[in-house]
Amino acid sequence: RKEVEQDPGPFNVPEGATVAFNCTYSNSASQSFFWYRQDCRKEPKLLMSVYSSGNEDGRFTAQLNRASQYISLLIRDSKLSDSATYLCVAHTGRRALTFGSGTRLQVQP
Amino acid sequence: DTAVSQTPKYLVTQMGNDKSIKCEQNLGHDTMYWYKQDSKKFLKIMFSYNNKELIINETVPNRFSPKSPDKAHLNLHINSLELGDSAVYFCASSQEGWGGSLADTQYFGPGTRLTVL
Repeated sequence: RKEVEQDPGPFNVPEGATVAFNCTYSNSASQSFFWYRQDCRKEPKLLMSVYSSGNEDGRFTAQLNRASQYISLLIRDSKLSDSATYLCVAHTGRRALTFGSGTRLQVQP
Repeated sequence: DTAVSQTPKYLVTQMGNDKSIKCEQNLGHDTMYWYKQDSKKFLKIMFSYNNKELIINETVPNRFSPKSPDKAHLNLHINSLELGDSAVYFCASSQEGWGGSLADTQYFGPGTRLTVL
C-alpha cells in the first residue's frame, strides 16, 4: 500500500465550479501535511500547508482528519489557471516528504 | 535571485556514461534533498543532507552518489548510466526537516531532465 494515496483523475471541471480532492496517508506518525501544485514540466510548488483545524487561503481550503488519516483540498470558483497536478504530501519526521502520485485537474472554459 | 538552482536543465547521454547534476540554494537552508520523478510522475526521495551530513539514503543503486561540499550545495553524481535512470531529478531545500512545522516546507529547483539513450 502506498504511504500517500490520491485519485489520479483527471478531474475535468468547467470554470467557476467547485472541486474537491481527497488523499489518504498510511503512516499515523506523519506530523505535517502539505498540498503542492505541479504544472506540466515544472517543479512542485507549495500551495498550502494543512493544519488540524483546517485552513483557508482565498479560494482554497485544506482540511486534515487525523482520526481517518485523510487530507482534503477544496477549490472554489475554479479558474483556467488552476489546471495543474495537485500533490498531497505528508512529512513523517524522517527529514523527507512523502508525495502522493498527484491528482490532475483540468479546468475548461 | 533564484532560490534553488540546478544545472544542467537537460541532459542527454549514452548508456554507461558518468554524469553529474549540480544544485545550489541561496535560502540559507540547512537541509537539501534529491528526488526522482519517473515517467508516471511519481516523486520519490533519494537522498537528504543536513549541514553536509547524509541523513536519508533510500534504496538507490550505489551508482548514485551525492556530494555536499557545503550546506548550500548538493550535487548528484551518477556512474554507469542505465536506460532506467531516465527521469526528471529535482533538488530541494528546507530550513529544517524534522517534521511538524512550516520550517519543513521544501522549495524545489526547476529539475534536470535526464535522458539515457
